[in-house]
Amino acid sequence: GAGVSQTPSNKVTEKGKYVELRCDPISGHTALYWYRQSLGQGPEFLIYFQGTGAADDSGLPNDRFFAVRPEGSVSTLKIQRTERGDSAMYLCASSSGTGVPDTQYFGPGTRLTVL
Amino acid sequence: QKEVEQNSGPLSVPEGAIASLNCTYSDRGSQSFFWYRQYSGKSPELIMSIYSNGDKEDGRFTAQLNKASQYVSLLIRDSQPSDSATYLCAVNNWGAAGNKLTFGGGTRVLVKP
Repeated sequence: GAGVSQTPSNKVTEKGKYVELRCDPISGHTALYWYRQSLGQGPEFLIYFQGTGAADDSGLPNDRFFAVRPEGSVSTLKIQRTERGDSAMYLCASSSGTGVPDTQYFGPGTRLTVL
Repeated sequence: QKEVEQNSGPLSVPEGAIASLNCTYSDRGSQSFFWYRQYSGKSPELIMSIYSNGDKEDGRFTAQLNKASQYVSLLIRDSQPSDSATYLCAVNNWGAAGNKLTFGGGTRVLVKP
């Protein structure tokens, strides 16, 4: 079946603007994750949803970052008052949410550039 | 000390040779270990997962886990130019951290024809 999809693939915005990044997980996957990857580094965890609720948001860097998953499927990562330091690849992953361990499959990512 | 450490490379390997990648982790309670391959500008793609001490083979890839030494490795046999990529080691401690993965910085591998 279809994999994880993310839109847009690229987003260029100006400092101070608001952006929304969308993730559509693999059908049937109840767990959804957001990671951020800066150039030359590994992905860093931001937030994890199990169903509609955020099970762990310990990786969100500050209150400018917020994510929702209102119907337990598609998720939106929202960034307010963007800063140049927010420029990175934003990766979404999903997993079945059942059992331990639970393998995560990544989407193609959204490249965010803040000018 | 980083939680998951990898040599950044580049690891240069002749075509047909074995590439050996190493990863160490600091959380002794970690239970699940993953290797992802990432081509430049693309997202991580799962290659291998390993949960028990010892070796696990899948095609040209072998993952090795030693929990006592807090060490996981990946061997790529008969390396091909298409294996040129960054390889990310990821670790999970379900009991302490739920499902989140902690990644190393990745090792860049360059397979030369």
